Amino acid sequence: EPEVTQTPSHQVTQMGQEVILRCVPISNHLYFYWYRQILGQKVEFLVSFYNNEISEKSEIFDDQFSVERPDGSNFTLKIRSTKLEDSAMYFCASSLTGGPSYNSPLHFGNGTRLTVT
Amino acid sequence: GQQLNQSPQSMFIQEGEDVSMNCTSSSIFNTWLWYKQEPGEGPVLLIALYKAGELTSNGRLTAQFGITRKDSFLNISASIPSDVGIYFCAGQGGSQGNLIFGKGTKLSVKP
Repeated sequence: EPEVTQTPSHQVTQMGQEVILRCVPISNHLYFYWYRQILGQKVEFLVSFYNNEISEKSEIFDDQFSVERPDGSNFTLKIRSTKLEDSAMYFCASSLTGGPSYNSPLHFGNGTRLTVT
Repeated sequence: GQQLNQSPQSMFIQEGEDVSMNCTSSSIFNTWLWYKQEPGEGPVLLIALYKAGELTSNGRLTAQFGITRKDSFLNISASIPSDVGIYFCAGQGGSQGNLIFGKGTKLSVKP
């Protein structure tokens, strides 16, 4: 079964550094998402992306965050200047249509654990 | 904002027992989803509910979407050790892919 893949699985960075988290969504999917999960807490929506532009973003997704689809397969999340509170699991997800409509649920990757020191 | 209240927070059960967990909200959701998350992995979709009152099964799992679209339950019958994990409910209000997640129910199964 096709799956969403994320790299790296774990990223350690120093406060103030830029990080780029990478995702390869399922190949025929058109909608892409980033979520994050702070340790022990619930999964939170960050941003949705369709047709090379942001469809929606949450309050968490401030000016330090950006997303990009640099080519036909990758979808990236960039954090410009990391803060300690950015430490979390970041999940990429994709769906065929503007999910989760019938038969087009969101499929999540296994996440990137970001640790900011 | 929209919130999902999920209960119980955790459950410790014996293998073979049935499990029930639920989610409520003060807001109406168009779609209700149940995900399972195992350590080091992302959420995996178990059941998706699209119609008010809908009752859907997936193997030993059964979930129902409340008539008011403000609640849902998930039942697991005859639990087995591999059912261990955190179960999240998630609702979609109106926006594309903007899922609101509950805080999860952590299930532990004793062999």
